[in-house]
Amino acid sequence: EVQLVESGGGLVQPGGSLRLSCAASGFTFSTYDMHWVRQATGKGLEWVSAIGTAGDTYYPGSVKGRFTISRENAKNSLYLQMNSLRAEDTAVYYCARGAEMATILFDYWGQGTLVTVSS
Amino acid sequence: DIQMTQSPSSLSASVGDRVTITCRASQSISSYLNWYQQKPGKAPKLLIYAASSLQSGVPSRFSGSGSGTDFTLTISSLQPEDFATYYCQQSYSNPSITFGQGTRLEIK
Repeated sequence: EVQLVESGGGLVQPGGSLRLSCAASGFTFSTYDMHWVRQATGKGLEWVSAIGTAGDTYYPGSVKGRFTISRENAKNSLYLQMNSLRAEDTAVYYCARGAEMATILFDYWGQGTLVTVSS
Repeated sequence: DIQMTQSPSSLSASVGDRVTITCRASQSISSYLNWYQQKPGKAPKLLIYAASSLQSGVPSRFSGSGSGTDFTLTISSLQPEDFATYYCQQSYSNPSITFGQGTRLEIK
């Protein structure tokens, strides 16, 4: 059974840093692209970052230069280092497995971890 | 960036109704369009991929259609467990992925 379990969320002050982790199990982690997607309370979904199997990384403009996605295949783990955090980064952060089935899709998601940026 | 616009933003319907949700892309995205269902406090769940392919395990009352800029998600006969928020997602501009703003489906 595929499982994704996020951790590391919490309360952080504006300008601060936080590192999220996602523990994967039930599939060959190293062979899948992985993503982070966030959702502010009562709002829609926003793609935050992606990392390919070769370690190539991608970000939208809203987080580029502040967030860093990484992976450690030996530990079946995905990470998101978030620096220079802003109030607008407050959200539930989901890790999601990417798959390509004639389109790039997210076929498995974790339960999410809440990040609150506030003084 | 490709913008995805869903309509309506919210919808009230009854059990047994046929419901259609629309997603429009700001430019042609071929069939690079997926649909997700999200219930309160839960992660999204993939329903439809590549515009019209049903994800394994998803009931056949869900269907998707469209290509280019206009897409629809149809639920043929609403069940109580279908009341949720639905999102479309494009991957044409991979790796820059964008979602629609969501359509909340409520019980009438």
